[in-house]
Amino acid sequence: QSALTQPASVSGSPGQSITMSCTGTSSDVGGNNYVSWYQQHPGKAPKLIIFDVSNRPSGVSNRFSGSKSGNTASLTISGLRAEDEADYYCSSYTTTNTVEFGGGTKLAVL
Amino acid sequence: QVQLQESGPGLVKPSETLSLTCTVSGVSIHNNYWSWIRQPPGKGLEWIGYIYSSGSTNSNPSLKSRVTLSIEMSKNQFALKLTSVTAADTAVYYCAKSIGAAPLEFWGQGTLVTVSS
Repeated sequence: QSALTQPASVSGSPGQSITMSCTGTSSDVGGNNYVSWYQQHPGKAPKLIIFDVSNRPSGVSNRFSGSKSGNTASLTISGLRAEDEADYYCSSYTTTNTVEFGGGTKLAVL
Repeated sequence: QVQLQESGPGLVKPSETLSLTCTVSGVSIHNNYWSWIRQPPGKGLEWIGYIYSSGSTNSNPSLKSRVTLSIEMSKNQFALKLTSVTAADTAVYYCAKSIGAAPLEFWGQGTLVTVSS
């Protein structure tokens, strides 16, 4: 059982936008602005795509955006492409200085 | 560019100690946070812990009693030891460089460690 709750799967068509959620508590997601999102393709290491709720590392497409409201963080991908099909994990720093991950969301681009 | 490479045995016997090393290139190990994460086959990511270049550490409460993190400045390496392993510790183990203590900015390719007799 993961500390952060993510939907098991989401899907969308090329060109569409999708949003996936990551729900925690006031001890993690709601307690700071240190939420990150990672993209993982099969057999590959995860890649950081959003950090500190809404910041993109250099080189990450601006089609990826993050937000947070209360204890729930969200990742939005606009203009879906086939290469966006992957697993997405959220992560949060906690009030006890540890790190938690969500269980992951599988994105299907139909 | 920043690169991380995990190394260590791919097979560990139950009740023994899993030992992995991460070799860092392209950036100094000084003044940075370094993390370990694992992923059981077909499952999600699990944070193991981080170490700062000063040697201060923090780890997952569920693993804390079995985890030792260390850093070797002269070799630009950091290491993980996990004691008393069971089959549940079978996973791909990743090392990573953090931005501060949390966002994992650069990852190694991962190494599969299987616990089996």
